[in-house]
Amino acid sequence: GNSVTQMEGPVTLSEEAFLTINCTYTATGYPSLFWYVQYPGEGLQLLLKATKADDKGSNKGFEATYRKETTSFHLEKGSVQVSDSAVYFCALSSMKTSYDKVIFGPGTSLSVIP
Amino acid sequence: SAVISQKPSRDICQRGTSLTIQCQVDSQVTMMFWYRQQPGQSLTLIATANQGSEATYESGFVIDKFPISRPNLTFSTLTVSNMSPEDSSIYLCSVQTTRTDTQYFGPGTRLTVL
Repeated sequence: GNSVTQMEGPVTLSEEAFLTINCTYTATGYPSLFWYVQYPGEGLQLLLKATKADDKGSNKGFEATYRKETTSFHLEKGSVQVSDSAVYFCALSSMKTSYDKVIFGPGTSLSVIP
Repeated sequence: SAVISQKPSRDICQRGTSLTIQCQVDSQVTMMFWYRQQPGQSLTLIATANQGSEATYESGFVIDKFPISRPNLTFSTLTVSNMSPEDSSIYLCSVQTTRTDTQYFGPGTRLTVL
């Protein structure tokens, strides 16, 4: 079945450091891939998405590239801020035009210290 | 994306009681879902709320414990019945529209059962 694996947290970085959160997936076909972010005390927000191989999703300085050959969708940001402290979830959906269950990774907690 | 609200945002309840959580969307959506997020964990799908018919439950979740209603395309409720401390979680509503592969989430309801 489909699955998503993320690097274990928590991750602690200093402000302005480079961020990478690894995400790999197992799925048949060509799933859509997502990163969601959950700020403390809030629900999940869609951060970015990519729907086909080599697509790059980007938002708020975050980027992730859909790598079919390595089945990966790593999240990166060049310079993190304290306000980026949150839990990040990698997710996939197999169906592009109708419903299929979204599979979430376990989440990676990020703390950015001044 | 749709604007999703949930009520209540948080509650503290006594064991053995029931709580009904409401989810309201500002536009008609095809699919509505209910998730549970236990402390420090990822999301687990409870059920798909079907408009005008019984919800579709995931393995491990039953209608007697988590009755769900969806009277129209913009509103759904989830009831957590006969609560125990193990039900202490964040409950999240999400929505998805036809021909898209993206789910959007409400802010969540933080439930503590004493």
